[in-house]
Amino acid sequence: DQQVKQNSPSLSVQEGRISILNCDYTNSMFDYFLWYKKYPAEGPTFLISISSIKDKNEDGRFTVFLNKSAKHLSLHIVPSQPGDSAVYFCAASPNFGNEKLTFGTGTRLTIIP
Amino acid sequence: NAGVTQTPKFRVLKTGQSMTLLCAQDMNHEYMYWYRQDPGMGLRLIHYSVGEGTTAKGEVPDGYNVSRLKKQNFLLGLESAAPSQTSVYFCASVGRPTYNEQFFGPGTRLTVL
Repeated sequence: DQQVKQNSPSLSVQEGRISILNCDYTNSMFDYFLWYKKYPAEGPTFLISISSIKDKNEDGRFTVFLNKSAKHLSLHIVPSQPGDSAVYFCAASPNFGNEKLTFGTGTRLTIIP
Repeated sequence: NAGVTQTPKFRVLKTGQSMTLLCAQDMNHEYMYWYRQDPGMGLRLIHYSVGEGTTAKGEVPDGYNVSRLKKQNFLLGLESAAPSQTSVYFCASVGRPTYNEQFFGPGTRLTVL
């Protein structure tokens, strides 16, 4: 049973436009959410996170939105740049400080120059 | 700081052979993890450790063993490799205060023939 789902395996966006990556979860105990970015032949790197006490968190071009009632979060990248082409994983945890993360299946984002 | 390193980077095994994957971190992190990444499956937790001398099972532990004899090292063993264990293996670590933001190694690509 996939508790964290990323239903779009791939996404292509024109350079300069907005990229929106989506993630849904089923476990209502999840309370802390993260996005990771992964380039080929490298390990994932942490990008941005959000706690359930917030509905939005921004870091430069990256914004994560959380809709707890819908069990849905999204990552917005504005403006999209060629270097953003990567696989993005969302992850969830029952609380900040919990040692385990549950990852989604990933979305491959391609930015078209 | 080298961060999280993994040895080897690539390995090809025959069915039934054994091997050990080594993960080392120089950040004095308490928690360490082994994941496998398969197409369409995301990152799945194999085993993890919350401190030197302790280990625990993750989501997909069967066929693997682990040891954490030193705080900086986390070993993943395959006693009798099977083709189903063909995967990319990632090690990660995390320490206080950001228990959720795991740092990943570059991965080990394992093929079992």
